[in-house]
Amino acid sequence: EDQVTQSPEALRLQEGESSSLNCSYTVSGLRGLFWYRQDPGKGPEFLFTLYSAGEEKEKERLKATLTKKESFLHITAPKPEDSATYLCAVQASQGGSEKLVFGKGTKLTVNP
Amino acid sequence: DGGITQSPKYLFRKEGQNVTLSCEQNLNHDAMYWYRQDPGQGLRLIYYSQIVNDFQKGDIAEGYSVSREKKESFPLTVTSAQKNPTAFYLCASNDRGPSKQYFGPGTRLTVT
Repeated sequence: EDQVTQSPEALRLQEGESSSLNCSYTVSGLRGLFWYRQDPGKGPEFLFTLYSAGEEKEKERLKATLTKKESFLHITAPKPEDSATYLCAVQASQGGSEKLVFGKGTKLTVNP
Repeated sequence: DGGITQSPKYLFRKEGQNVTLSCEQNLNHDAMYWYRQDPGQGLRLIYYSQIVNDFQKGDIAEGYSVSREKKESFPLTVTSAQKNPTAFYLCASNDRGPSKQYFGPGTRLTVT
């Protein structure tokens, strides 16, 4: 069974304090790994897609990396507006469906 | 503007009543999905549809029903058989293949 585990469940940072969020996965053939940001009461907003080990993507203060077993979302010098829940999801290559398996998310709070 | 709309944003129902949540997309996507999100939980897949007039059960389909009569519409009915219907419901869509899913703004359903 495909599984996604995110850690930590919650993370508090001071503004400017860099850190990383972890997404560990077990999947029967990875088609893609997706990172989303979700603000309270809203739908998830797409951040990155990673397809193969060694791949990296960046957007402003965020950088996502991928290995064969996990992905990291690195946050450099975060600001209070980066506070949100970050969700990781994987899409398996077997079965022919397009469905994603989501982790429970990491709730990030950045204090000014 | 292209995107996914869900209505209403908030919905209140009495126990024992069926209720239908609306999801419309104008992105010309083939695949559409319904997720349920509970506090502290990741997104759990209820139903998905990869093509008009066809849909499959997700991980938690019991007590729910869907239809896909038009490409742009994928309504979800929460029936009285669903034991814990109070939750945040999210609709999503994407193209075929390992592509990102676009999410709607969500509907918060409260059943008392």
